[in-house]
Amino acid sequence: GAVVSQHPSWVICKSGTSVKIECRSLDFQATTMFWYRQFPKQSLMLMATSNEGSKATYEQGVEKDKFLINHASLTLSTLTVTSAHPEDSSFYICSAPPPGLGTDTQYFGPGTRLTVL
Amino acid sequence: AQSVTQLDSHVSVSEGTPVLLRCNYSSSYSPSLFWYVQHPNKGLQLLLKYTSAATLVKGINGFEAEFKKSETSFHLTKPSAHMSDAAEYFCVVSDFPGTSYGKLTFGQGTILTVHP
Repeated sequence: GAVVSQHPSWVICKSGTSVKIECRSLDFQATTMFWYRQFPKQSLMLMATSNEGSKATYEQGVEKDKFLINHASLTLSTLTVTSAHPEDSSFYICSAPPPGLGTDTQYFGPGTRLTVL
Repeated sequence: AQSVTQLDSHVSVSEGTPVLLRCNYSSSYSPSLFWYVQHPNKGLQLLLKYTSAATLVKGINGFEAEFKKSETSFHLTKPSAHMSDAAEYFCVVSDFPGTSYGKLTFGQGTILTVHP
């Protein structure tokens, strides 16, 4: 079945530094990928839609200059949290829809837990 | 706009007894509806999906859900709970199903606890 991986699975960083999270579709090409954020004991919230070869589309209230998204190839999207602060500590999850099925069929990565000290 | 409401934040059952996780949705369109399960430290796994075919949808691990348009509900059930079912469950709705611009909206999640 379709597999989506994320790297790293967890990261701890100091306040003010930047952190890059990778999302890869391992056995299919994805022109679109999605980035979600999940705070403790809360649901997943869509942050942005990553589009291969064009700019990402951000959801209302998500700072595009803080959460930089680059969809460099058909199998890789990266999320960079710039100048991270403790309030950015969260579980970041990406997903990708296999081609031909519409974007409502999504395969999710295992998530990246970010802790900002 | 679409939304999902999971009526119970926590459900506790004994092993071998039935499971009922409740979900109501709101959508301006004919939605696709999903149930996902999230085990600790693991990625989201799709349990089942409704896409306007049969209203009773069977999923993996013995779970099923019934789409009731008149009640705008999509409750998840299982006849007999197993210890391995303990996890968090999310009801999810998709707008513009089958298109390339649909988005998923997640419910708040229901934590299922299974007692021996």
